[in-house]
Amino acid sequence: DSGVTQTPKHLITATGQRVTLRCSPRSGDLSVYWYQQSLDQGLQFLIQYYNGEERAKGNILERFSAQQFPDLHSELNLSSLELGDSALYFCASSVRGGSGELFFGEGSRLTVL
Amino acid sequence: AQSVTQLGSHVSVSEGALVLLRCNYSSSVPPYLFWYVQYPNQGLQLLLKYTSAATLVKGINGFEAEFKKSETSFHLTKPSAHMSDAAEYFCAVSDQRGYSTLTFGKGTMLLVSP
Repeated sequence: DSGVTQTPKHLITATGQRVTLRCSPRSGDLSVYWYQQSLDQGLQFLIQYYNGEERAKGNILERFSAQQFPDLHSELNLSSLELGDSALYFCASSVRGGSGELFFGEGSRLTVL
Repeated sequence: AQSVTQLGSHVSVSEGALVLLRCNYSSSVPPYLFWYVQYPNQGLQLLLKYTSAATLVKGINGFEAEFKKSETSFHLTKPSAHMSDAAEYFCAVSDQRGYSTLTFGKGTMLLVSP
């Protein structure tokens, strides 16, 4: 158990819909990262937050957004969903000023029909 | 920009045989390097990491990796494969600035046969 909690574990929805994925980082970790894992793209970095502020942005679509709340949990919002958004979405957290080591949750599997 | 190349999307070994998973990196600054393992339907778990201390790094479950700057490589090895090692392995790179993100390779699926 990494200490990172993600909900829901599985989500099935239709094209055009909007979903929210939730992540609670390890106790004491200030940084939260979101990654998308798909068969064709592999693990793609989406976005990072540190103590409530956006710190880095990767290959995140404009239809996607995220935020980190004062209690440090984070949410990833995916809107106008397309079939190609079906993937495993991972949240990870890290210690402040750490060596880059990330602790991953078990992921949220999104299926868009 | 940083990148990682993992040679071979699938590697098959027999139980008891040597495991060698290859990783080459590209980084304009001194890197941190990582190997993660992903078992089916689970998240990624850290196997080992190189953070500029020792070039030979030992991790969990008998795995180790050697940082070779001249070859820009960080290959993962295990002397004797076990059936439970069957999983997908990811090499990743970040820089040493403290808040950088990890860039992952495409992954290598390790298959272990009896």
